[in-house]
Amino acid sequence: GAVVSQHPSWVICKSGTSVKIECRSLDFQATTMFWYRQFPKQSLMLMATSNEGSKATYEQGVEKDKFLINHASLTLSTLTVTSAHPEDSSFYICSAASGRRYEQYFGPGTRLTVT
Amino acid sequence: EDQVTQSPEALRLQEGESSSLNCSYTVSGLRGLFWYRQDPGKGPEFLFTLYSAGEEKEKERLKATLTKKESFLHITAPKPEDSATYLCAVQDSGNQFYFGTGTSLTVIP
Repeated sequence: GAVVSQHPSWVICKSGTSVKIECRSLDFQATTMFWYRQFPKQSLMLMATSNEGSKATYEQGVEKDKFLINHASLTLSTLTVTSAHPEDSSFYICSAASGRRYEQYFGPGTRLTVT
Repeated sequence: EDQVTQSPEALRLQEGESSSLNCSYTVSGLRGLFWYRQDPGKGPEFLFTLYSAGEEKEKERLKATLTKKESFLHITAPKPEDSATYLCAVQDSGNQFYFGTGTSLTVIP
């Protein structure tokens, strides 16, 4: 149980285009979803937290107009990187938590490369 | 300021050589301490949740323990497939999560 999927697993896009990443909890209802960014050999950097039906709460320094997060249902959250630039290239990971348990369950991650 | 510190940053073990990873924390009211395993290019995999001092949990060769200031992840007779980065995270009374920077474990055959 507690499986989280992400799609796509990797994406290459041109500078200036937008990319959408989906995060789904497959076998539980995720009241809260988290989006992280991870650089090579570094730990997770929390970008934002979202609760179903509410606006996302962004961490300091994360541009909410650039990284659009939509938590449309209890099983789906999306991250859209708008007007992507090469510096946005990174590994993006989502996680989900249910209201009953505290731990977060992570997706497999999405490798974004902006050329 | 709430903080999570993991040590060592990197650990190399011979196959069968038991050891421990440390996660020390300072948070305002611990709601839970979590251990994850992360393989390169993948998302973290959940291992354990510990809620209160004195609690212990085991899974195969791994055993996690918790005190009021730190947690240990004991690895007994590790195998090469245990090589990964092990992450510790805590959740405070305000439901904020804090992640450590991880311990990179390499088990040599």
